[in-house]
Amino acid sequence: EAGVAQSPRYKIIEKRQSVAFWCNPISGHATLYWYQQILGQGPKLLIQFQNNGVVDDSQLPKDRFSAERLKGVDSTLKIQPAKLEDSAVYLCASSSLAGGYNEQFFGPGTRLTVL
Amino acid sequence: DAKTTQPTSMDCAEGRAANLPCNHSTISGNEYVYWYRQIHSQGPQYIIHGLKNNETNEMASLIITEDRKSSTLILPHATLRDTAVYYCIVRLNTGGFKTIFGAGTRLFVKA
Repeated sequence: EAGVAQSPRYKIIEKRQSVAFWCNPISGHATLYWYQQILGQGPKLLIQFQNNGVVDDSQLPKDRFSAERLKGVDSTLKIQPAKLEDSAVYLCASSSLAGGYNEQFFGPGTRLTVL
Repeated sequence: DAKTTQPTSMDCAEGRAANLPCNHSTISGNEYVYWYRQIHSQGPQYIIHGLKNNETNEMASLIITEDRKSSTLILPHATLRDTAVYYCIVRLNTGGFKTIFGAGTRLFVKA
């Protein structure tokens, strides 16, 4: 089966600019996650969707970050305006509850550099 | 904050078993232990999970202590391709479960 797709793979912007990342989860996966991974740290959950509803966005900086999941499939994460500390890899993951456990499948990530 | 404690880094000789420890002393009765790994420049990859029994799959074995306060991930014959950061996570299997990654253990497999 096809994996989680993300684009772009790399993005360089200047601070105060806007940027958007796209994620296409594995077909049929109801749950979609966006993580932020700063260099040297583990991934940090930003937002979790169940179908097209938000389950957890407690760690999403809502003054500048927004995310949506259209029709419960693809998702977009936006940063507006970007700050230097937003430089990180943004990982998208998806999962289903088939089999009674939760294995998350991760995409390759988008590496964002804010100058 | 992550509910687990892992060593920052470990070395292992190629072909030998790699034993990666994890402490999770505050684990609750319905939380599972999950292990993921992240190879450089890739997203994390699921390895194995368990509740209280030892588990084995084609990638690794998971040994959970009887009191469930710690566990060990075993890679029976480590190869250079196993060099990665290994994350131990405790979480529920249902509901609005949150996956909290710590800093993980950086495993270096040496020839």
